[in-house]
Amino acid sequence: AQSVAQPEDQVNVAEGNPLTVKCTYSVSGNPYLFWYVQYPNRGLQFLLKYITGDNLVKGSYGFEAEFNKSQTSFHLKKPSALVSDSALYFCAVSESGSARQLTFGSGTQLTVLP
Amino acid sequence: DVKVTQSSRYLVKRTGEKVFLECVQDMDHENMFWYRQDPGLGLRLIYFSYDVKMKEKGDIPEGYSVSREKKERFSLILESASTNQTSMYLCASIEREAPYEQYFGPGTRLTVT
Repeated sequence: AQSVAQPEDQVNVAEGNPLTVKCTYSVSGNPYLFWYVQYPNRGLQFLLKYITGDNLVKGSYGFEAEFNKSQTSFHLKKPSALVSDSALYFCAVSESGSARQLTFGSGTQLTVLP
Repeated sequence: DVKVTQSSRYLVKRTGEKVFLECVQDMDHENMFWYRQDPGLGLRLIYFSYDVKMKEKGDIPEGYSVSREKKERFSLILESASTNQTSMYLCASIEREAPYEQYFGPGTRLTVT
């Protein structure tokens, strides 16, 4: 069975500082990994994905994520946080070549302080 | 752009009522999903459908059913609403090719009183 862990319920960071939102996963095969963002009272919005290839994936709004196979991690990063980045972030995994179901983490609330 | 729409943003129902949540996608996606989102629990899969008239249970199907009569429409039905079904409900559809990126609707916040 596949699973995702987001160990931090809440991350606070000052505007202009780098941010990291952590994610670790477990799958029996090769993973497809995703980050989604949810703004208040909205659906989930796709940020970025890892399929194969370069371990550093670049996505929307200046976000990037680093795939680390040995540590089974896919942490979300941004060099300089904005107040508008404050939102709920979800990591998700599916096993490549398998059924189309995603397993989501519990979410991390990011607050960027002005 | 893929568009996934849900019939209501906010809904208030009474215990015991039958509730219908509608989801429509306009990208000819074969695969559609219903999730519920609760604080601290992330998204949990209720039901999914790979094709018209085809459905499969997800992780928490109890108290729910679904209908997929047309490819673009996937309905979630609460047969007899209960207060523990108060939640945010999210519909998603998925692209045909790997890696199956999911596209989400705006969500329906259901309150059962």
